[in-house]
Amino acid sequence: QKEVEQDPGPLSVPEGAIVSLNCTYSNSAFQYFMWYRQYSRKGPELLMYTYSSGNKEDGRFTAQVDKSSKYISLFIRDSQPSDSATYLCAMRKSSGDKLTFGTGTRLAVRP
Amino acid sequence: NAGVMQNPRHLVRRRGQEARLRCSPMKGHSHVYWYRQLPEEGLKFMVYLQKENIIDESGMPKERFSAEFPKEGPSILRIQQVVRGDSAAYFCASSPQTSGGSHEQFFGPGTRLTVL
Repeated sequence: QKEVEQDPGPLSVPEGAIVSLNCTYSNSAFQYFMWYRQYSRKGPELLMYTYSSGNKEDGRFTAQVDKSSKYISLFIRDSQPSDSATYLCAMRKSSGDKLTFGTGTRLAVRP
Repeated sequence: NAGVMQNPRHLVRRRGQEARLRCSPMKGHSHVYWYRQLPEEGLKFMVYLQKENIIDESGMPKERFSAEFPKEGPSILRIQQVVRGDSAAYFCASSPQTSGGSHEQFFGPGTRLTVL
């Protein structure tokens, strides 16, 4: 069993839709949770970062962490074609620790 | 402030040759991480270095792979006697050294290695 599970998609939505992306994990030692966006043949770009359980909002993006369920989510409101990319969840146990990634969900937003 | 820089961006090697991948961290960052991404897979951790020290190499294959981060100059990931299975995108990330804080990792554009 992988430490971090993520539905690979692809996920196709119309422009303006609300997108929900999710990851589950098995290791309760994970404390820091991140979402990265990766465009084709580019490096991952940090979108959201949260520590422990709770919500964090940044513009059209909201990240949620539920440590009791070992479940994290990223919501994208008013999705745009420019949001079309692969979204990777990542997590680590402590500051400075290596990141453990999900396999990524490919998102396509149709104009 | 320049981001993480990696070169070359594309590297083609024949089986048995050596590959050297370079990473210059963001200014002020002293922590470097190397990850490998195989087609249709997520990123897998390889090695974590600080200046002149390997902190965690638990993701590094035992043979043919080595990494360094010298006092001066970029971090180098070296793959000896490459095989076709080494074909992948190799990403470097850097983070700042802070006494507390989040230690977010910022990624470079990657080096795409193709082994013929």
